[in-house]
This record gives sequence, structure tokens and C-alpha cells, in this order.
Amino acid sequence: DAMVIQNPRYQVTQFGKPVTLSCSQTLNHNVMYWYQQKSSQAPKLLFHYYDKDFNNEADTPDNFQSRRPNTSFCFLDIRSPGLGDAAMYLCATSRDLLETQYFGPGTRLLVL
Amino acid sequence: AQSVTQLGSHVSVSEGALVLLRCNYSSSVPPYLFWYVQYPNQGLQLLLKYTTGATLVKGINGFEAEFKKSETSFHLTKPSAHMSDAAEYFCAVSDYNTDKLIFGTGTRLQVFP
Repeated sequence: DAMVIQNPRYQVTQFGKPVTLSCSQTLNHNVMYWYQQKSSQAPKLLFHYYDKDFNNEADTPDNFQSRRPNTSFCFLDIRSPGLGDAAMYLCATSRDLLETQYFGPGTRLLVL
Repeated sequence: AQSVTQLGSHVSVSEGALVLLRCNYSSSVPPYLFWYVQYPNQGLQLLLKYTTGATLVKGINGFEAEFKKSETSFHLTKPSAHMSDAAEYFCAVSDYNTDKLIFGTGTRLQVFP
């Protein structure tokens, strides 16, 4: 089945130790998004790629970076995780902006 | 700016009872509207969406929602709740100005036997 896949599902890292989360899609969608979701809150958009064009949200900390080497894959890099970065990270894709977004299962990040 | 209001952060119903989750949006232009469901430690799953056409939209798992332009509402209903419906539900609206999806704050549905 066409889908959005996130690996790993759970990630434990140490304070300040770089971590990379990955997302892949078989939908061949143009847009890929990264959201951060903290407990009992709505997802918060960090950034998105429209094809190769990167679009950062104004309030996304510099600590968060992203790469999209090809249509199928997108990575979220957290350069120096702090305790406040512990959250669920959701990847989503859509065929075009404003169209339906399809979400992956998420990666829950724990920072020790 | 576009906004979405979900009335009631927690809703509790008995199994078999009607489920009603409320969503209001702020827009003078009919947007695209979505309902997503999130089970614990899972991503968001699309329940249903309204883009154009028929204002009563049927989704998965027996849910439906009605777009009412005059009330700027898109409430989610299900005639008979199942235990498996217990989850967090998010209403979302597309924002033409920013090309983003604006989420409501979510409603946690509890279903009691």
C-alpha cells in the first residue's frame, strides 16, 4: 500500500547529541512536511519542502534542520536536542499545497 | 488569519450514544475542511474532508460531517459510539493566505461501556 513511513518509531537521545529522524513516502507527493506535537496539543508545523524548495516556519528554532535528497525521502535533523525538544515528530505529505495531508505514524523522541 | 475552534477539549459518551464534536472556522471564503483522528502514539489519520459539492460528507468508521457556511461550522457526528472510537480528534482548515493547514486544539473523546 502507498504510505508514509517514519523510522524509528521511538528514539532516545542524550541532551546535546545530534539525532536524525527519517520519513519516506510511496505516494510520489510533491510536498513533505515536518510537524512537532507535544502532549495534548495540536501538531505544530516546523517546515515543509515543495519539491526541492525548502520553506521554514518563522518560529522554528535553528536547532532544527531538514534535508530532502529525493522525492521519496525527507530527514529531520536536531543538532543539539534539549529537554524541551522531547515530542512526537510527524511527517506528512500532500500532492500540492492545500491538498489533503497524509501523515506517517510519527517518531516519539525522548531526550535524556 | 484563519482560525479553527473546537468547543470542548474533552467529550465523554456512553457506548451506543451519539457522538458530536464541534468545529467552527473563521473564513469568509469557504475553505477546505478536514477531520483527523489520532490514536495514542500514532500519527493523524484522515477521517473525512470537505472541498466542494455536497455539504454532508461521509467518512470512515461511520463518521460524517456537515459543512454549514451560514454557521461557519463543520461538526463531526457518529450515530452510535464504539469503544474503539476513543481517541483525539482534530478539525483542520486550509488557509489560502499561507498555504498551510490550521489545526484546532483537538477534542479527546472518551467512550464508556
